[in-house]
Amino acid sequence: AQKVTQAQTEISVVEKEDVTLDCVYETRDTTYYLFWYKQPPSGELVFLIRRNSFDEQNEISGRYSWNFQKSTSSFNFTITASQVVDSAVYFCALSGPSNTGKLIFGQGTTLQVKP
Amino acid sequence: NAGVTQTPKFRILKIGQSMTLQCTQDMNHNYMYWYRQDPGMGLKLIYYSVGAGITDKGEVPNGYNVSRSTTEDFPLRLELAAPSQTSVYFCASINRSGNTIYFGEGSWLTVV
Repeated sequence: AQKVTQAQTEISVVEKEDVTLDCVYETRDTTYYLFWYKQPPSGELVFLIRRNSFDEQNEISGRYSWNFQKSTSSFNFTITASQVVDSAVYFCALSGPSNTGKLIFGQGTTLQVKP
Repeated sequence: NAGVTQTPKFRILKIGQSMTLQCTQDMNHNYMYWYRQDPGMGLKLIYYSVGAGITDKGEVPNGYNVSRSTTEDFPLRLELAAPSQTSVYFCASINRSGNTIYFGEGSWLTVV
C-alpha cells in the first residue's frame, strides 16, 4: 500500500528563518513520482515540484529546495529566508508508475510565517 | 485554454438533496480525476476516468457517481447528500505524458 506521512501538522517561523517540511513515503513500486503542492489561503493548489524515483539529485528553485533520499524514503522541502507570502498549507504526494494523476496525499503541513 | 473548470464554486445543500458538480477541460486530456479535501486533511481520490466511457473508483467512492460521455466533461453526482460529504472538491486532468497535473480551483460544498 502507498502512504505519505507529513508528521509536522503546523510550523510557525519568523520571517527570514529557514524552514524544512518533512515528507516520508511508503510504496512497493520501484518507479514512482513524488510531488509537493502549496495551498494558499485562497484554496487553490499550486504545483511546486515533481520528482521521479530514479532522479535522486537535489533540486533548488530560488528559495525552495528539495532533498530526496530513497534510503530513508523521504522527500523533504526547505524554504530559505522564509517570507510572509510563504504562509500556506503544503502537501506532499505520491503516485505510482502509471496513471500518475492518482495521487496519495499527506495530511499537509500548515506553515505560518510571521513578520 | 481555460484549463480545468469547475462549477459551482460554492454550494449549500440540504441533507438528502442531490446535485452535480461539473468539471470541464479543454486540453483534450484523457485522464480525469475527482478528489475531495476534508478540513485539515489532504486530498483523497473519489473517482477517475482514463477516457470517454471509462470510469473507476478511487479511495472514497461511496455516495458518489460519475460519468464520462465526452473527453471534455467529467461530472460528479451526489445522489443523497449527507453532512459527511461537506468538503472541498477538486477536479483534475493530466496531459498525455503524465508530467503535468492540472487542478481546477475547487468547489466548496456544505451539506446541512
